[in-house]
Amino acid sequence: GENVEQHPSTLSVQEGDSAVIKCTYSDSASNYFPWYKQELGKRPQLIIDIRSNVGEKKDQRIAVTLNKTAKHFSLHITETQPEDSAVYFCAASLIGGFKTIFGAGTRLFVKA
Amino acid sequence: NAGVMQNPRHLVRRRGQEARLRCSPMKGHSHVYWYRQLPEEGLKFMVYLQKENIIDESGMPKERFSAEFPKEGPSILRIQQVVRGDSAAYFCASSPRQGRGNSYEQYFGPGTRLTVT
Repeated sequence: GENVEQHPSTLSVQEGDSAVIKCTYSDSASNYFPWYKQELGKRPQLIIDIRSNVGEKKDQRIAVTLNKTAKHFSLHITETQPEDSAVYFCAASLIGGFKTIFGAGTRLFVKA
Repeated sequence: NAGVMQNPRHLVRRRGQEARLRCSPMKGHSHVYWYRQLPEEGLKFMVYLQKENIIDESGMPKERFSAEFPKEGPSILRIQQVVRGDSAAYFCASSPRQGRGNSYEQYFGPGTRLTVT
């Protein structure tokens, strides 16, 4: 069945450094790739998303890249801050509805 | 503009009882998704519904679990004869009718934390 693998499971960086989280997906029909941030005890919230007709998207300190051929996509956070500490989930789905498959999550720690 | 509402926020049930979890989507949203999250784990898709229709329930266990999204009222996730392994956070999310605008974002509710004793 459909699967999304996410690495690393835990990531610790120094404040100001960059953080990169990588995901691969199995369903080649997937064409929508959102990233969610979940703080402890709270709901997941969308931070950025990308569609398959775009290779890269940036929003301030956050960027996402997509390689459809390799079925890889990555989240890049630059100039990390302590408030970036959270669990980040990648996901893959089909535009038009249908189920969204989430990665297992990456716990990011940003040390001040 | 109220976001996605879920109630109760916390639910304690004894083994064998029934659990009913409610989700009111954002205003104007007609798509609802239910996910289960075990501690320290990711979100597992359970079911995707539109008003009065189950579109995809491939992630939902075949027994004891059911979901509905009636024409009026909230979406309900029902778990019959709960077992300890059902203890988890259950999140619902809603999205607008697909094809309108450019947003496919799923807006999550605060979750219901189910504890089975």
